[in-house]
Amino acid sequence: SYELTQPPSVSVSPGQTAKIPCSGDALPEQFAFWFQQKPGQVPLLLIYKDSERPSGIPERFSGSSSGTTVTLTISGVQAEDEADYYCQSADTSGIPVVFGGGTKLTVL
Amino acid sequence: EVQLVESGGDLVQPRGSLRISCVGSGLTFSKYWMHWVRQAPGKGLEWVSRINRDGSIAKYADSVKGRFTISRDNAKDTVYLQMNSLRAEDSALYYCVRDAGDRRGMDVWGQGTMVTVSS
Repeated sequence: SYELTQPPSVSVSPGQTAKIPCSGDALPEQFAFWFQQKPGQVPLLLIYKDSERPSGIPERFSGSSSGTTVTLTISGVQAEDEADYYCQSADTSGIPVVFGGGTKLTVL
Repeated sequence: EVQLVESGGDLVQPRGSLRISCVGSGLTFSKYWMHWVRQAPGKGLEWVSRINRDGSIAKYADSVKGRFTISRDNAKDTVYLQMNSLRAEDSALYYCVRDAGDRRGMDVWGQGTMVTVSS
């Protein structure tokens, strides 16, 4: 079955830039989406269509795509950004939604 | 305000059945594809199923195919998930999620309903 691969954890100091990669063979052909989930909360859509931000999402969150890897970049990380982050896409054989395993962002 | 409210989660025995529901408000429910996504305690997100606007097309994750059935009643602004032959590994918080359409992503999530499969 198709998999999206994320690092289990990323650590960054406040004010620094965090980059969370997500790799998958179908990413050159399928859009990627990113979600943030804080403890005890429901997931929040951060990025759609690889790099678009829904209204209300701060500009410090951005997405990019290069080949089989998409990346969520958080500029000027704040303590409140500590959360789990999930990438999501689709495969090319009919499964419309696949999630990555999630990355725990720790703000040092 | 757009809201999705799930209900019906319960403790059920292995090999048992359960139907969970999700009611939408503040949106024209029939305009949106809808998903169920689940999350086991302490684990990541797992997509379960999706249904199109009129309920004629459904997709399932391999892990639930043949056991779960998604349906909807647009007159009641409700989407359902019928779960049969339940297993311990189906224990999770089940979220109802709206698909914004036009590749804009899953933009509205309910608070979830808990399903526990245990004897």
